[in-house]
Amino acid sequence: GQQLNQSPQSMFIQEGEDVSMNCTSSSIFNTWLWYKQDPGEGPVLLIALYKAGELTSNGRLTAQFGITRKDSFLNISASIPSDVGIYFCAGQLLAGNMLTFGGGTRLMVKP
Amino acid sequence: AAGVIQSPRHLIKEKRETATLKCYPIPRHDTVYWYQQGPGQDPQFLISFYEKMQSDKGSIPDRFSAQQFSDYHSELNMSSLELGDSALYFCASSDRDRIFNYGYTFGSGTRLTVV
Repeated sequence: GQQLNQSPQSMFIQEGEDVSMNCTSSSIFNTWLWYKQDPGEGPVLLIALYKAGELTSNGRLTAQFGITRKDSFLNISASIPSDVGIYFCAGQLLAGNMLTFGGGTRLMVKP
Repeated sequence: AAGVIQSPRHLIKEKRETATLKCYPIPRHDTVYWYQQGPGQDPQFLISFYEKMQSDKGSIPDRFSAQQFSDYHSELNMSSLELGDSALYFCASSDRDRIFNYGYTFGSGTRLTVV
């Protein structure tokens, strides 16, 4: 089946630093989604990408849909302590389909 | 804005018991999904419904069943519970045609503990 490789698995950074994480796939997705999950809570949608090559920002977050449709990255600028959590990428082949999740990136921010 | 509502938030059951999890999707979202997330794992797709009909099926055990009702809420029924069924169960909903805001949105989940 389809698999998403997400890296890095974890990051421990200083407050104010920029963060970058990415996902790669062995097959094509037509939608890429980035979620943040706090412990015991549901994933919260951060950014949705619908077109290859699309670059989208949401505040300090920027994400891009790779031109090959097999990868995506998420950047967080000027990290703050509340950015702590697990970030998941997710790919979707067609609208209404299931999501395939990456393994997650655990972000820890040192004040 | 209305979100995906799940109940209960926490559930403790004994082995071989049954459990029913409920999900109320975002109004006007036409697709409901169920996911299971084990400790330290990413969410795994179980099953989905589009306009009250089963749409896709993932790694859902035969002991589990689900349905979507006329008011669009969905229930996940789990029988003969096993210790390995302990996990977070999430419901999500989306608007397939992106008319009313696509937003593939997750609920806060039900934490099921089987003892």
